[in-house]
Amino acid sequence: RKEVEQDPGPFNVPEGATVAFNCTYSNSASQSFFWYRQDCRKEPKLLMSVYSSGNEDGRFTAQLNRASQYISLLIRDSKLSDSATYLCVVWGGNAGNMLTFGGGTRLMVKP
Amino acid sequence: DGGITQSPKYLFRKEGQNVTLSCEQNLNHDAMYWYRQDPGQGLRLIYYSQIVNDFQKGDIAEGYSVSREKKESFPLTVTSAQKNPTAFYLCASSIWTGGETQYFGPGTRLLVL
Repeated sequence: RKEVEQDPGPFNVPEGATVAFNCTYSNSASQSFFWYRQDCRKEPKLLMSVYSSGNEDGRFTAQLNRASQYISLLIRDSKLSDSATYLCVVWGGNAGNMLTFGGGTRLMVKP
Repeated sequence: DGGITQSPKYLFRKEGQNVTLSCEQNLNHDAMYWYRQDPGQGLRLIYYSQIVNDFQKGDIAEGYSVSREKKESFPLTVTSAQKNPTAFYLCASSIWTGGETQYFGPGTRLLVL
């Protein structure tokens, strides 16, 4: 079983739609959680951290469920520019406290 | 501007050849990392370095080597022992080892001729 699992997609949605991605992690000792965005052939960039209480940044909402060990990202009012791969990233809980990356979920927003 | 630079953007390797990927940062970060990304897969850690003249193997270190002679620089050599080197290589840095926030360079795409 992968340490961090994501549905690879692609998720094809029209502009203005609401779309949600989930991610599950296997190590219950993991301490911090993030969503990164990666455009095609570019480096990953931090989108937002994920807190137990849930957090929102504009059209983006992230949720963490520690009991079920999953993380979610909700995008409202999708824009064409949201088309990218979204990486679920987990920190801590293993030797060295390194980041562990999911394989990513690809989102394509169409006009 | 502070940041991480990687060069070259594209690199071609012939069979049996060693190639070196450059990574430089001016963020004054202590820790630096090398990752490999294959299509549809997450980033996998190759090597990391906590301080100058120190580095540790990551999950997939076989066929790779690194050095850390300067705080700003962390070059990665892909040796001929790496039988499947075609991938996207990403360098990152953080203020301290195990720091949650890592900053990534633009990456080097390595292709085998």
